[in-house]
Amino acid sequence: EAGVAQSPRYKIIEKRQSVAFWCNPISGHATLYWYQQILGQGPKLLIQFQNNGVVDDSQLPKDRFSAERLKGVDSTLKIQPAKLEDSAVYLCASSLTQDGGYTFGSGTRLTVV
Amino acid sequence: RKEVEQDPGPFNVPEGATVAFNCTYSNSASQSFFWYRQDCRKEPKLLMSVYSSGNEDGRFTAQLNRASQYISLLIRDSKLSDSATYLCVVNGAFTGRRALTFGSGTRLQVQP
Repeated sequence: EAGVAQSPRYKIIEKRQSVAFWCNPISGHATLYWYQQILGQGPKLLIQFQNNGVVDDSQLPKDRFSAERLKGVDSTLKIQPAKLEDSAVYLCASSLTQDGGYTFGSGTRLTVV
Repeated sequence: RKEVEQDPGPFNVPEGATVAFNCTYSNSASQSFFWYRQDCRKEPKLLMSVYSSGNEDGRFTAQLNRASQYISLLIRDSKLSDSATYLCVVNGAFTGRRALTFGSGTRLQVQP
């Protein structure tokens, strides 16, 4: 079974620039999550999709972050404009059901300078 | 109070030692509990689920105390390869949120 694919693996941008991350979940997994992991902390949920609908985006900084999951498969997460404190690893995960175990992708390591 | 609280460590133990990690969670309505393992610069991976009756997987034993809202992980006969960060994970940590909430992790370093 192919895992959760994420790209790019690394990204360095200047503050106030824009950046986008892409995630392809495991085939058939209805639920997709984006987590932000700042160095030394646990992953923090940004947004949860069930198929192409948003289930929970209460922790997403909506003034600068946006995410979509068109057609209920791939997802993109965008930051515009980026701030220094957005430097983190952005992890995508998917699960078959909302209560199932998660499989994480390798993450995108973002550095904002 | 944090939704999921863990001692950050690090725990430095010799090979062969037994080590225990603890975790507390704040929402008594939480239903699912897990331990994830995260190696340096890698993604978290599911180590084991935690059940009310307690469960064991080889050298790893997980316990859940719902009354105290407390989860534990015991590692027996530690190996060098057990060196990693162990994340305590709870679903429904927030009312209405079913997604998993992660603790900040406990770092384990097993010494030769």
